[in-house]
Amino acid sequence: NAGVTQTPKFRVLKTGQSMTLLCAQDMNHEYMYWYRQDPGMGLRLIHYSVGEGTTAKGEVPDGYNVSRLKKQNFLLGLESAAPSQTSVYFCASSSGGDLRSRGYFGPGTRLTVT
Amino acid sequence: AQSVSQHNHHVILSEAASLELGCNYSYGGTVNLFWYVQYPGQHLQLLLKYFSGDPLVKGIKGFEAEFIKSKFSFNLRKPSVQWSDTAEYFCAVNNQGGKLIFGQGTELSVKP
Repeated sequence: NAGVTQTPKFRVLKTGQSMTLLCAQDMNHEYMYWYRQDPGMGLRLIHYSVGEGTTAKGEVPDGYNVSRLKKQNFLLGLESAAPSQTSVYFCASSSGGDLRSRGYFGPGTRLTVT
Repeated sequence: AQSVSQHNHHVILSEAASLELGCNYSYGGTVNLFWYVQYPGQHLQLLLKYFSGDPLVKGIKGFEAEFIKSKFSFNLRKPSVQWSDTAEYFCAVNNQGGKLIFGQGTELSVKP
């Protein structure tokens, strides 16, 4: 199993450009998450999904959109990138919100917006 | 709203010193608790987890954590740290709604 993979690993955007980050998992997990990691802020939840076709807002959803058309994929979109979105983005998946679930993380995507 | 607070932003220790990293959460219902570790340049890895039962949880690499429900705390401990423990440590909480919320992280630097 590859676990959780993220594409791309690095990206540089100019302000106003758009892009999509792809997260894929091969563990048949129901739940998927997008986080951003910034120094001193820990990991902040952007959006998450509790199953195929569902999405929900996390702590910092503004400026991002997500889609979960297939169970194994969770896409994070930036429609008009801003320098404040410079960050490392982590995707995670888990089997569910029950008492036995835990998060498996991808390797991260380092995004710079100039 | 559910939140997780880690009290120490940066901890510096010498090898063989004992470690305790604080974590408090705010959520009154049933929760799962986790500690993740992120070594330099790597992604997050699970260190240990608490779901139920014995409140003293043992994880990998000699780490342990104690869940104290009355204090809403889940502190991470290690009796004797090594240089290889240098990393950032994150406490996280997952309620039955499925949101996995992280604390701000604690950077641990161990001097050889």
